Amino acid sequence: ELKVEQNPLFLSMQEGKNYTIYCNYSTTSDRLYWYRQDPGKSLESLFVLLSNGAVKQEGRLMASLDTKARLSTLHITAAVHDLSATYFCAVGSNYKLTFGKGTLLTVNP
Amino acid sequence: GAVVSQHPSWVICKSGTSVKIECRSLDFQATTMFWYRQFPKQSLMLMATSNEGSKATYEQGVEKDKFLINHASLTLSTLTVTSAHPEDSSFYICSAPRWEDTEAFFGQGTRLTVV
Repeated sequence: ELKVEQNPLFLSMQEGKNYTIYCNYSTTSDRLYWYRQDPGKSLESLFVLLSNGAVKQEGRLMASLDTKARLSTLHITAAVHDLSATYFCAVGSNYKLTFGKGTLLTVNP
Repeated sequence: GAVVSQHPSWVICKSGTSVKIECRSLDFQATTMFWYRQFPKQSLMLMATSNEGSKATYEQGVEKDKFLINHASLTLSTLTVTSAHPEDSSFYICSAPRWEDTEAFFGQGTRLTVV
């Protein structure tokens, strides 16, 4: 059974600070996803990581994948209030996804 | 880009009634769609895989007779919650992959409240 563990589950940050969210998964998978969810909304796709060593960046967010360690990270640089949301990683094959529990990120001024 | 549309966005129903949720792929054909459920402050859990022209595949613990899935066309899957109870109140989200892409596209979700 594929398990996906995310940590931390709760993250309170000051604006301008950096932090990393970690995502570990238990079995080999062909892709890893990061999503953002705002309250009451569906998922917004952030990154799709397909291969070992993959790194993608969009604005203040950067995601990386280490398939050997079965670990992905989502790094937040110089956080701003607009980044406050819940972030999920998900792993799967053939688009059938298992999600982590999510990280509730709150960025404080 | 590809769009997946869900309808309705929210619905309130009485206990014992049935509710149908639609998931449409708007600009591509989806032979497979996925239905997820998300309880408040929790993660998404896969309920079932909807296959066009054949029976859905349900995840362990999901009652197939309660959550009826129909995928009668290449652009539409429906989830019917039968004899709904308050514990079925949840956020239901569908996704549909376009196979030439590297990701599945999510609908906007349906918030079901059973009173």
